[in-house]
Amino acid sequence: GQQLNQSPQSMFIQEGEDVSMNCTSSSIFNTWLWYKQDPGEGPVLLIALYKAGELTSNGRLTAQFGITRKDSFLNISASIPSDVGIYFCAGQLLGTGNQFYFGTGTSLTVIP
Amino acid sequence: KAGVTQTPRYLIKTRGQQVTLSCSPISGHRSVSWYQQTPGQGLQFLFEYFSETQRNKGNFPGRFSGRQFSNSRSEMNVSTLELGDSALYLCASSLASGNIQYFGAGTRLSVL
Repeated sequence: GQQLNQSPQSMFIQEGEDVSMNCTSSSIFNTWLWYKQDPGEGPVLLIALYKAGELTSNGRLTAQFGITRKDSFLNISASIPSDVGIYFCAGQLLGTGNQFYFGTGTSLTVIP
Repeated sequence: KAGVTQTPRYLIKTRGQQVTLSCSPISGHRSVSWYQQTPGQGLQFLFEYFSETQRNKGNFPGRFSGRQFSNSRSEMNVSTLELGDSALYLCASSLASGNIQYFGAGTRLSVL
């Protein structure tokens, strides 16, 4: 199946710092999604992106749909302890029966 | 509006047994997808059902099967359980195939 390369795999940051993570693929995607998963729970949708170059914010979170349509970025500003969790990107590939493919996740730890 | 409901939340089985997991989608959602999540493999797509028909299938053995009922509720069955089937099984629903997916909290299956 399709591989989405998500980096970094894990991050340890101080509270108040900004965070950046990204997702890349060798294929062109027509939709990018970002999810956050808390321990013992299912992923929760954070941001959805539908057009190349699109920049969308949700509070302190900002995500961008890469111009090449092969990548996406998620930034978190002024991190707080409740930002801890695993962040997943997901991409929908053109012409694949609408299936979503998921990245391997970025584990974020925020140190108070 | 209630979210995606998965039951049971936790299951312990022994090798060789079979198991059935249940998923009730968000009201009005007609598409249900199933994923297996393990620490080493991330989120792996199992299959998707829409209007009681399997639309997509991931690369899993035939021991993994599913179905969808007329009320859009879905069940997933795993027969002849193996130790490697221990995982968090996530269900996601969407309005239609290819739309944004919303996840349930998952069923944690442990095979002893």
